[in-house]
Amino acid sequence: DQQVKQNSPSLSVQEGRISILNCDYTNSMFDYFLWYKKYPAEGPTFLISISSIKDKNEDGRFTVFLNKSAKHLSLHIVPSQPGDSAVYFCAASDEGNNDMRFGAGTRLTVKP
Amino acid sequence: EAGVAQSPRYKIIEKRQSVAFWCNPISGHATLYWYQQILGQGPKLLIQFQNNGVVDDSQLPKDRFSAERLKGVDSTLKIQPAKLEDSAVYLCASSLGTGNYEQYFGPGTRLTVT
Repeated sequence: DQQVKQNSPSLSVQEGRISILNCDYTNSMFDYFLWYKKYPAEGPTFLISISSIKDKNEDGRFTVFLNKSAKHLSLHIVPSQPGDSAVYFCAASDEGNNDMRFGAGTRLTVKP
Repeated sequence: EAGVAQSPRYKIIEKRQSVAFWCNPISGHATLYWYQQILGQGPKLLIQFQNNGVVDDSQLPKDRFSAERLKGVDSTLKIQPAKLEDSAVYLCASSLGTGNYEQYFGPGTRLTVT
């Protein structure tokens, strides 16, 4: 059962523009959401997270937005840089369960 | 600070053979996770340890997969016998504890079963 979905397998943007990566979830028990970034031949690295008590969290060029009523979150990267080119995974967990579920990932390509 | 270490990085075996993967988490991290990532999919949790006890192994195919974390530090994941569909990257991750802590991942072991 895919409880976390990333419907766009790939995204291409121009350097300097905004990248928006989307994620939907189905389990209303999820209350903690994370984005991970993965380069080839490396493990995923933590990027940014948001708790369900917030609707926005910002860290430098990265902002995550959470819409609980729509069960949707998005990651905004502004401005996008070529070094941001990677696969981005959305993940969600229930604090009490700690069983983190991942989406299938979106491959972001930032063109110079 | 040293990251999560895994070995080997790559392994090729024939079906019905056995294989073992090793993971050394970040020092001080009580929680350790093993994930299976099949090509084109996100990581799927196989088993979670809190110190040397199992917290969740509901998605571990126990007829062929086993894992242990002796002394609450290093961990090994074993597959015996392997099937073609076990071809995947096996990721180990660790975190300070359960709850809302980010997980730190190792580089993974890419397993190919022929």
